[in-house]
Amino acid sequence: AQSVTQLGSHVSVSEGALVLLRCNYSSSVPPYLFWYVQYPNQGLQLLLKYTTGATLVKGINGFEAEFKKSETSFHLTKPSAHMSDAAEYFCAVSGTGNQFYFGTGTSLTVIP
Amino acid sequence: ETGVTQTPRHLVMGMTNKKSLKCEQHLGHNAMYWYKQSAKKPLELMFVYSLEERVENNSVPSRFSPECPNSSHLFLHLHTLQPEDSALYLCASSRRGTGIYEQYFGPGTRLTVT
Repeated sequence: AQSVTQLGSHVSVSEGALVLLRCNYSSSVPPYLFWYVQYPNQGLQLLLKYTTGATLVKGINGFEAEFKKSETSFHLTKPSAHMSDAAEYFCAVSGTGNQFYFGTGTSLTVIP
Repeated sequence: ETGVTQTPRHLVMGMTNKKSLKCEQHLGHNAMYWYKQSAKKPLELMFVYSLEERVENNSVPSRFSPECPNSSHLFLHLHTLQPEDSALYLCASSRRGTGIYEQYFGPGTRLTVT
């Protein structure tokens, strides 16, 4: 069975500081992992994905994530937070039939 | 129009009303999904259609009735809803085949049941 746990439902960082959003997964098959972002009153937008190959994945808006099989983690990072990064972030793991299992989300606040 | 569109964006309905949500994808995908997003809960997958055939129905109450007339359109028909059905309803689409493909989401319909 597949599942995702996002540690911390709310994260606050200062503008210019490192962003770290945590995601741990459980999967009975080799996982495909995704990070999505949701801005207010919008749907989810894909930030990045891991399928196979390189474990450090780069996405849009300067975000990246590293797949660590030994830790069953796929944490999202950005070296320097910008005000426009304030949003809800969702981690997801794929299952059979292209079914996705989403976490409960992490709300990121950026303090000026 | 590009991507995935949903109408209406906001809907308020009484418990005895009948309404429909519409989703349209302009990406050439062959799979479409309905999700329910409630506060502090993971996204709940409601229905999956692949090549216009329903392939997934995750124990959704019968007061929700999906319809997929073609690969570009998806509807969610609503009747005799309950207040706990108030949520953001998201539509998504993707390719479908033997691999894993990212899903593209619409902006959602904010539903309030009074």
